[in-house]
Amino acid sequence: GAVVSQHPSRVICKSGTSVKIECRSLDFQATTMFWYRQFPKQSLMLMATSNEGSKATYEQGVEKDKFLINHASLTLSTLTVTSAHPEDSSFYICSAKEGGHTEAFFGQGTRLTVV
Amino acid sequence: GQNIDQPTEMTATEGAIVQINCTYQTSGFNGLFWYQQHAGEAPTFLSYNVLDGLEEKGRFSSFLSRSKGYSYLLLKELQMKDSASYLCASMDSNYQLIWGAGTKLIIKP
Repeated sequence: GAVVSQHPSRVICKSGTSVKIECRSLDFQATTMFWYRQFPKQSLMLMATSNEGSKATYEQGVEKDKFLINHASLTLSTLTVTSAHPEDSSFYICSAKEGGHTEAFFGQGTRLTVV
Repeated sequence: GQNIDQPTEMTATEGAIVQINCTYQTSGFNGLFWYQQHAGEAPTFLSYNVLDGLEEKGRFSSFLSRSKGYSYLLLKELQMKDSASYLCASMDSNYQLIWGAGTKLIIKP
């Protein structure tokens, strides 16, 4: 299957700082990328969908000014958690899909801890 | 509304067979996915069904009945490494995945 690389896998940051998470498709062109958040023992919660070159579409209840998503190229999308707070601590996962294909491939996930 | 139901937790014995059921209600339907997720890791793709019937892939098989809004994942010859959460997800008319909460499968020796 296709490979999606997400970096970093773990990050600890102080309250009030910003953290950037990268999601790269290594061997295909990701026309669409999805960003999920997962709390312990819960399912994936879709935060936003981004299409290359367009603004991301955020799900209801997700603050677009807090979770900045950029999808400037066909191989890279970034999620920046701005002014992080302890309640932002979570597991963030990206997935990427090539145009015309059904299956999306997941990155390895990023464990964010805000202290 | 859109809804995916699957059992919260199941226990099975090493070497046995287990069936994890999933029922779905989504706005439109473009296929049913099963993913495996080990604790602390991202999900990995197991199967995709868009037509009725059984799809077999090694020790894992997936079944779909669109008229019943029902799918199951069948795991044979269970191994300890199969202990994980299994996520059912339905793709709606907008090609968005609607996720179930996952079934935690515990394998006992």
